[in-house]
Amino acid sequence: LAKTTQPISMDSYEGQEVNITCSHNNIATNDYITWYQQFPSQGPRFIIQGYKTKVTNEVASLFIPADRKSSTLSLPRVSLSDTAVYYCLVSSGNTPLVFGKGTRLSVIA
Amino acid sequence: EAGVTQSPTHLIKTRGQQATLRCSPISGHTSVYWYQQALGLGLQFLLWYDEGEERNRGNFPPRFSGRQFPNYSSELNVNALELEDSALYLCASSLKAGGHNEQFFGPGTRLTVL
Repeated sequence: LAKTTQPISMDSYEGQEVNITCSHNNIATNDYITWYQQFPSQGPRFIIQGYKTKVTNEVASLFIPADRKSSTLSLPRVSLSDTAVYYCLVSSGNTPLVFGKGTRLSVIA
Repeated sequence: EAGVTQSPTHLIKTRGQQATLRCSPISGHTSVYWYQQALGLGLQFLLWYDEGEERNRGNFPPRFSGRQFPNYSSELNVNALELEDSALYLCASSLKAGGHNEQFFGPGTRLTVL
């Protein structure tokens, strides 16, 4: 199972863009990169997924360089409600998700 | 469309007892996953069921077991409860099997072992 490394915590002011980088040096050819968001006492929620280059949806963007050994989740103009734990995961069809401890993002007014 | 449901919301047991947690996936979803989240820790993968079969198992002792029923609902059983089993147990379902498919999580069952 590919292992991911991401910062334990980050702070940001409201309205700023937040970029959370995740390292996954041992990513396999058929692995996808997925990010989930979790609020306290709730189950995680899917944010975005990508395989290579850039993916954008209404919530975030995901940047993946050509070597796929890292990825960056970009949250535009964060608000207080974006305070949560963000998990970076890599997985393929036959493997379950392996959640690490994630990155605790605190958005400050 | 109803989301993933779990019951009970809270469960209090004493050491040595057995606990049964239940999960109903989103309609049409065939894969069910169970996770444990102890206080201050990340989610630990427990079990993955698909089409009634156990597909994968995390690094947990055999006293953690489960099953998936023909209607794709699932049950997690924890025998011989220990204090460190106190945690939030989350169930998730996905439309297709495989970790890369979007998983939808339920609200969880908070198990407290006294």
